[in-house]
Amino acid sequence: DGGITQSPKYLFRKEGQNVTLSCEQNLNHDAMYWYRQDPGQGLRLIYYSQIVNDFQKGDIAEGYSVSREKKESFPLTVTSAQKNPTAFYLCASSTRMTANSPLHFGNGTRLTVT
Amino acid sequence: EDKVVQSPLSLVVHEGDTVTLNCSYEVTNFRSLLWYKQEKKAPTFLFMLTSSGIEKKSGRLSSILDKKELFSILNITATQTGDSAIYLCAPQTGANNLFFGTGTRLTVIP
Repeated sequence: DGGITQSPKYLFRKEGQNVTLSCEQNLNHDAMYWYRQDPGQGLRLIYYSQIVNDFQKGDIAEGYSVSREKKESFPLTVTSAQKNPTAFYLCASSTRMTANSPLHFGNGTRLTVT
Repeated sequence: EDKVVQSPLSLVVHEGDTVTLNCSYEVTNFRSLLWYKQEKKAPTFLFMLTSSGIEKKSGRLSSILDKKELFSILNITATQTGDSAIYLCAPQTGANNLFFGTGTRLTVIP
């Protein structure tokens, strides 16, 4: 079955450590996205990528980095520069980045930094 | 500044009731509006609305968009406990970004 796989489901890290969240899709989608979800707030866009080897900052990119070396994979690194990293992170993909391509989401990774 | 307001924030109903969820928006370069259902983890796609006044239906769910008044509603008839979820509204802008609202948490009790 095609889908988006995020791993791990839960991640715990000490403050000051970088951590990388995995996102893999086998839907053959061109566009991939990372969102962050906090209680009482809507999903906020961190980074997105329309094609391999290209990515753009979203609304809250500070303290995060991404890479898109393969079409299927869009890992997100939460760096020590991110001031409030504890959150639920959702990866998504779409056929392409146009108005007629709904996003499909993975099951998310809940990151806790202490 | 782009803004999406969903109301109510939360709602508790009994099975069989009909509910209406509201979404008002102010975004630049509006392209379409999407509704998602989020149960425990991944939001799942429900509807994409691009034209005013055309109702989209899927089973007991339906949705309509008013581009003049800048709002959309999501209706659920004959609610079931499986409808309990957070319903997210997301206008899509010319930058091809989705701007999500905070969602309406619906709880359906038997």
